[in-house]
Amino acid sequence: SQQGEEDPQALSIQEGENATMNCSYKTSINNLQWYRQNSGRGLVHLILIRSNEREKHSGRLRVTLDTSKKSSSLLITASRAADTASYFCATDPDRGSTLGRLYFGRGTQLTVWP
Amino acid sequence: KAGVTQTPRYLIKTRGQQVTLSCSPISGHRSVSWYQQTPGQGLQFLFEYFSETQRNKGNFPGRFSGRQFSNSRSEMNVSTLELGDSALYLCATKTNPGGNTGELFFGEGSRLTVL
Repeated sequence: SQQGEEDPQALSIQEGENATMNCSYKTSINNLQWYRQNSGRGLVHLILIRSNEREKHSGRLRVTLDTSKKSSSLLITASRAADTASYFCATDPDRGSTLGRLYFGRGTQLTVWP
Repeated sequence: KAGVTQTPRYLIKTRGQQVTLSCSPISGHRSVSWYQQTPGQGLQFLFEYFSETQRNKGNFPGRFSGRQFSNSRSEMNVSTLELGDSALYLCATKTNPGGNTGELFFGEGSRLTVL
């Protein structure tokens, strides 16, 4: 499967703590993206990191990418109860195709307790 | 700018029936993809449309079909519904299908329950 796999499946922390989620994938990629989904809602794009980038920041989010290990991590600093959601990594495989399709992992369910 | 609009948001059908779901993309977005999300299988790609043509298709049976209209709106249809078709169906749009896949914009989904 070309899908990414997130680790851990579930993460429970207190407000103010940092949350780290990991994603592993199998094929070479053009980019890797992280999405957030509140329960039963649509996905919201958080951040995209290209294959030639190693680290990217956006507000309280920090994403790293290690293409040699085919892995990525998403760090949310100073978490808030409102960060409670499922987080998915999605890969855009490097297949030389102009077609667009993302491969999603199963997600990490993050719960932040007040 | 209005977001991606999916209708209906919730629907209940019985086995053997068919269902049609609709997706209106963000203005200017011409590529529409559909995903099925279930607890067991996660997010599975169904198909992608651009310029009224199916450009990519996932591994789903022929009961799942779709189309795109000249205004970029898209519909997907599931015929002869099975219990296992119960899922959240998500539509995602972007400006064009070429090159690397950039950010996808998702609708809120259509929650289908098959009884």
